Amino acid sequence: NAGVTQTPKFQVLKTGQSMTLQCAQDMNHEYMSWYRQDPGMGLRLIHYSVGAGITDQGEVPNGYNVSRSTTEDFPLRLLSAAPSQTSVYFCASSQGSIFSNQPQHFGDGTRLSIL
Amino acid sequence: AQSVTQLDSHVSVSEGTPVLLRCNYSSSYSPSLFWYVQHPNKGLQLLLKYTSAATLVKGINGFEAEFKKSETSFHLTKPSAHMSDAAEYFCVVSEIEGGKLIFGQGTELSVKP
Repeated sequence: NAGVTQTPKFQVLKTGQSMTLQCAQDMNHEYMSWYRQDPGMGLRLIHYSVGAGITDQGEVPNGYNVSRSTTEDFPLRLLSAAPSQTSVYFCASSQGSIFSNQPQHFGDGTRLSIL
Repeated sequence: AQSVTQLDSHVSVSEGTPVLLRCNYSSSYSPSLFWYVQHPNKGLQLLLKYTSAATLVKGINGFEAEFKKSETSFHLTKPSAHMSDAAEYFCVVSEIEGGKLIFGQGTELSVKP
């Protein structure tokens, strides 16, 4: 019973490098989303998807790209990493809209440090 | 503007004593309200949710929360704290009409033996 799986768990990058954070879910949920968690700020929505081929921006989308080619996978790309992107990143999935009364199922996070 | 305020960044209780984590919100619509718990190095796990049915909502692990519209509050309580309750707790508001999802800043709960 995997739920939402995020890889890698930890990553250190140098400024300017690119990387992709992976997220996969096995619950057949249409809705998926990415968040960043910074101390004292709760979670902030980066991008979300309402189904394969459809994505939209959240509260803090700058510096991040997403795509959704399958129901199961929702990768997050950092094109040119900056120290301000040092954070813990969470992926989540849900049966209904992230703005609805449906709860979200979270992965265990990717801890990203950018030097 | 929509917002969520968790009134305490840190709460410390003794094992076996009651827990109260406070959350106030503002919303232009009829929101859904959630409490999630996050244990160290883990993702968030749903404790309970309010969706305009009963105002007193029971969740997992003995937690419950009461929705008070007049006070715009959704405080989380538990009658008797257990050591395993030590974690960070997030109050979350969602509005489908406004397309909003807002997380509180989090409250860290410590439980002393």
